[in-house]
Amino acid sequence: EAGVAQSPRYKIIEKRQSVAFWCNPISGHATLYWYQQILGQGPKLLIQFQNNGVVDDSQLPKDRFSAERLKGVDSTLKIQPAKLEDSAVYLCASRTGTGMAYGYTFGSGTRLTVV
Amino acid sequence: AQSVTQLDSQVPVFEEAPVELRCNYSSSVSVYLFWYVQYPNQGLQLLLKYLSGSTLVKGINGFEAEFNKSQTSFHLRKPSVHISDTAEYFCAVSDLSGNKLVFGAGTILRVKS
Repeated sequence: EAGVAQSPRYKIIEKRQSVAFWCNPISGHATLYWYQQILGQGPKLLIQFQNNGVVDDSQLPKDRFSAERLKGVDSTLKIQPAKLEDSAVYLCASRTGTGMAYGYTFGSGTRLTVV
Repeated sequence: AQSVTQLDSQVPVFEEAPVELRCNYSSSVSVYLFWYVQYPNQGLQLLLKYLSGSTLVKGINGFEAEFNKSQTSFHLRKPSVHISDTAEYFCAVSDLSGNKLVFGAGTILRVKS
């Protein structure tokens, strides 16, 4: 079974620029999550999708972050404009469904550095 | 809402020694508990989870954890560590829907020869 694919692996941008991250979940996984992991901290949930609908985006800074999951498969997370404090690893995870019978599978993440 | 406190940011230990990584949680509702491991430049991998039943949970790579409801703790243990166990370990909690994992800040385990 292929894992959760994320790209790019690394990205360096200047503050106020825009950036986008891409996630391809495991085939058939209906639930998709984006997490932000700042250095020295644990991952923090940004947004949860169930198929192509948003379930929870309460911690997404909507003035600069946006995410979409067209057709309930791939997802894109965008930051516009970026700030220095957005430097972090952005992790994508997916699950077959909801409920604890379904485990999370995490991608390797995209490491963003804002200078 | 749930929260997790990992009491040690770094734990240095010699190879073949035992180790305990501490985790305490806070929640007003019943929870599920997890330990994940993250190797450099990799994603999170599930070590073990407590859903119900026996409070002693065994996971992969010889790790185990004990759920203590009265102390709201879920400490991770291994009787004898290897160099390859060097990684960052995250304790996490979710409510019974399992929809949202809340992570602790992580503990870096450094195994020395």
